[in-house]
Amino acid sequence: QKEVEQNSGPLSVPEGAIASLNCTYSDRGSQSFFWYRQYSGKSPELIMFIYSNGDKEDGRFTAQLNKASQYVSLLIRDSQPSDSATYLCAVSTGNQFYFGTGTSLTVIP
Amino acid sequence: ETGVTQTPRHLVMGMTNKKSLKCEQHLGHNAMYWYKQSAKKPLELMFVYNFKEQTENNSVPSRFSPECPNSSHLFLHLHTLQPEDSALYLCASSQERASSGQETQYFGPGTRLLVL
Repeated sequence: QKEVEQNSGPLSVPEGAIASLNCTYSDRGSQSFFWYRQYSGKSPELIMFIYSNGDKEDGRFTAQLNKASQYVSLLIRDSQPSDSATYLCAVSTGNQFYFGTGTSLTVIP
Repeated sequence: ETGVTQTPRHLVMGMTNKKSLKCEQHLGHNAMYWYKQSAKKPLELMFVYNFKEQTENNSVPSRFSPECPNSSHLFLHLHTLQPEDSALYLCASSQERASSGQETQYFGPGTRLLVL
């Protein structure tokens, strides 16, 4: 079983819609959760991190964490073509840091 | 100066060559990381340095040799690589390798390596 699993996509949404990206993890001891965005040919850049159950909002982005169900999601409201990228979920157990394979998102103008 | 820089950005080397990748962070962080990113695979953590001490080596072949002379600089020395080592090598840094897990990592632009 992979430590962090994401649907590789591609996920396509029309401009202005809500994009929903999901991630599940296997280690119940995981403590910190991160979403990175990676444009083609570029390095990952941090979008958000979340530590506590519930929602965390930052502009058009909302991270949702449910530790009981071991999933973390990222919602992107009012999606823009510039949001087209691969989104990487990362999970830290305190001792280990794991990345998912990423979900490719395309926002269609 | 941007937060985390890496040189070179692109590198082509033969299997018998020796080369080094350099990473420098200007964020005042104490932890630095080397990752390998291959197509269609998750980021693979290779090495972790926390306060200049190597704390993790995730079963990386000995043809990859890290060096961390201080908290701002990290090197990855390469020798007798294989074609399957061709990948994007990313350096990252964080405030520290906190046991609480509350470290946020910031990535450099990466070195695109091709081994012929």
